[in-house]
Amino acid sequence: SQTIHQWPATLVQPVGSPLSLECTVEGTSNPNLYWYRQAAGRGLQLLFYSVGIGQISSEVPQNLSASRPQDRQFILSSKKLLLSDSGFYLCAWRSGTSGRSIQYFGAGTRLSVL
Amino acid sequence: AQSVTQLDSQVPVFEEAPVELRCNYSSSVSVYLFWYVQYPNQGLQLLLKYLSGSTLVKGINGFEAEFNKSQTSFHLRKPSVHISDTAEYFCALISSGSARQLTFGSGTQLTVLP
Repeated sequence: SQTIHQWPATLVQPVGSPLSLECTVEGTSNPNLYWYRQAAGRGLQLLFYSVGIGQISSEVPQNLSASRPQDRQFILSSKKLLLSDSGFYLCAWRSGTSGRSIQYFGAGTRLSVL
Repeated sequence: AQSVTQLDSQVPVFEEAPVELRCNYSSSVSVYLFWYVQYPNQGLQLLLKYLSGSTLVKGINGFEAEFNKSQTSFHLRKPSVHISDTAEYFCALISSGSARQLTFGSGTQLTVLP
């Protein structure tokens, strides 16, 4: 069966420090991968998605970047965190681009920038 | 362009009462529809989905939703809620053809009161 792992579960970082959040998927190949952010009271915001290794699409301009160094690994990064980067970050995956394909989410990372 | 509107950001309801969470959508193409549930500090879990066939779909935890094409709605219902149903609920859609990403509503916080 397929599983998705996100770590760390919680993170407290000072303003201006770097960030690296990792997401890995097991039990499937060539998944579509997604990074979302939930800020307090603002719903889900799609940040990046990837349909293959090295292929990243950015949905909104921001202080963050994403990379996909391996088929089932998706990394969210920042060189210098801002206070506004605080939030709950969710990784997700889908199999292919068929609309019938279900999207599955990781457990999330709670990031607090102080 | 596609969009999902969840009309109620917060729905308080007493335990054992019925509940309806409203979801309306807009799309120029055929879509598939989903409801996800998010418990505090967790990722999203699929509650139910409408792909085709019967317009009344049943999901986990006693929830059901009805697809109404003429009213472009996909409201979620439960006849009797429990305290454990307290969570945030997201409605989402995706094109029934090839599609890379889901479109999410802004979420409805369901709070079940004793």
